[in-house]
Amino acid sequence: QKEVEQNSGPLSVPEGAIASLNCTYSDRGSQSFFWYRQYSGKSPELIMSIYSNGDKEDGRFTAQLNKASQYVSLLIRDSQPSDSATYLCAVTGSSNTGKLIFGQGTTLQVKP
Amino acid sequence: GAGVSQSPSNKVTEKGKDVELRCDPISGHTALYWYRQSLGQGLEFLIYFQGNSAPDKSGLPSDRFSAERTGGSVSTLTIQRTQQEDSAVYLCASSWTQTPGELFFGEGSRLTVL
Repeated sequence: QKEVEQNSGPLSVPEGAIASLNCTYSDRGSQSFFWYRQYSGKSPELIMSIYSNGDKEDGRFTAQLNKASQYVSLLIRDSQPSDSATYLCAVTGSSNTGKLIFGQGTTLQVKP
Repeated sequence: GAGVSQSPSNKVTEKGKDVELRCDPISGHTALYWYRQSLGQGLEFLIYFQGNSAPDKSGLPSDRFSAERTGGSVSTLTIQRTQQEDSAVYLCASSWTQTPGELFFGEGSRLTVL
């Protein structure tokens, strides 16, 4: 079982729709959770962090965390073609060494 | 510059040669990470530094890989006797100690082993 799992996609949504990206993790003691965006040929950039159960909103982005289900999601409202990228879920382990493990990423395509 | 700086940006080498990849983190960032990304794949964790020490070296693929960090700043990733499967983009990232996981990435070093 991979430590952090994501559907590789591609996930295709029309412009203006809500894109929903999902991630599960195996270490029940994980403390911190992140979403990174990676455009083709570029390095990842942090877009959201979440540390406690529930929802966290930042503009068009909402991160959701459910530690009991070991599940993290990212919602993108009013999706734009510029949101087309690979979205990487990342999780720190329970050992709290700072090690950050990434999922394989989900490719999102927003069609005009 | 203000960001994470990596060099070289591109390296082509012959199988069996040694290579060194350098990372200069954001000033003041105490945590430094190395990842590897093969074409179309996710990020593979290699090693993590807190200051000059490496609490977690579990991701280094073999004993041909080593990394060091001196002065709590610049880090060097060394690959000895390179193999074709080492071809990838090697990404360095740094963060504040207070916000582990909130990483700032460099542009990467693309390694091609012929």
